[in-house]
Amino acid sequence: SQQGEEDPQALSIQEGENATMNCSYKTSINNLQWYRQNSGRGLVHLILIRSNEREKHSGRLRVTLDTSKKSSSLLITASRAADTASYFCAGGTSYGKLTFGQGTILTVHP
Amino acid sequence: DTGVSQDPRHKITKRGQNVTFRCDPISEHNRLYWYRQTLGQGPEFLTYFQNEAQLEKSRLLSDRFSAERPKGSFSTLEIQRTEQGDSAMYLCASSLTYRTGGNSPLHFGNGTRLTVT
Repeated sequence: SQQGEEDPQALSIQEGENATMNCSYKTSINNLQWYRQNSGRGLVHLILIRSNEREKHSGRLRVTLDTSKKSSSLLITASRAADTASYFCAGGTSYGKLTFGQGTILTVHP
Repeated sequence: DTGVSQDPRHKITKRGQNVTFRCDPISEHNRLYWYRQTLGQGPEFLTYFQNEAQLEKSRLLSDRFSAERPKGSFSTLEIQRTEQGDSAMYLCASSLTYRTGGNSPLHFGNGTRLTVT
């Protein structure tokens, strides 16, 4: 079963614009993680935010977490064509199991 | 750090045949996970190990699926009597977890793509 919904399912932007992806989850989590996947490849970890944190930054990435609404968002600033990929959120339990969302397909046009 | 490796990269099999996939995690990682991913979907949890102990197996996983991690190193995932619905990408991931806090990121392999004809 999937953790929840991601919104939008697909996002198409121009290089230099910001991209925002949202994720809602169903069950209680210990942490929320974001991953990126290029076509036909495995997933690559981007950032982890703990349930007691509200916002986290890493380079051009900004993640927010609202546990009262069971939602998270990923912002990629100043997007590049190389950011084109699928992005997944995943809710983590205290014992380490991760449950993934459906993903957002991001296309950045040069 | 040579990363997580999976073998084979692609497997085509006929319905009813058994298949086995192998995953070699990052050497110092104690956790190993198996996920299944179909086109346009997120990875679906199958099972995971802490060293050689299998901690959880998805309720969605039929008895045709079995996974092992002997000696807490590499892992194998076997599917018996394959069905067309088993066609998917099978992903392995590993992590290093110091305690039960479970906050470690997963490192994924590039997967084994299974096609059942």
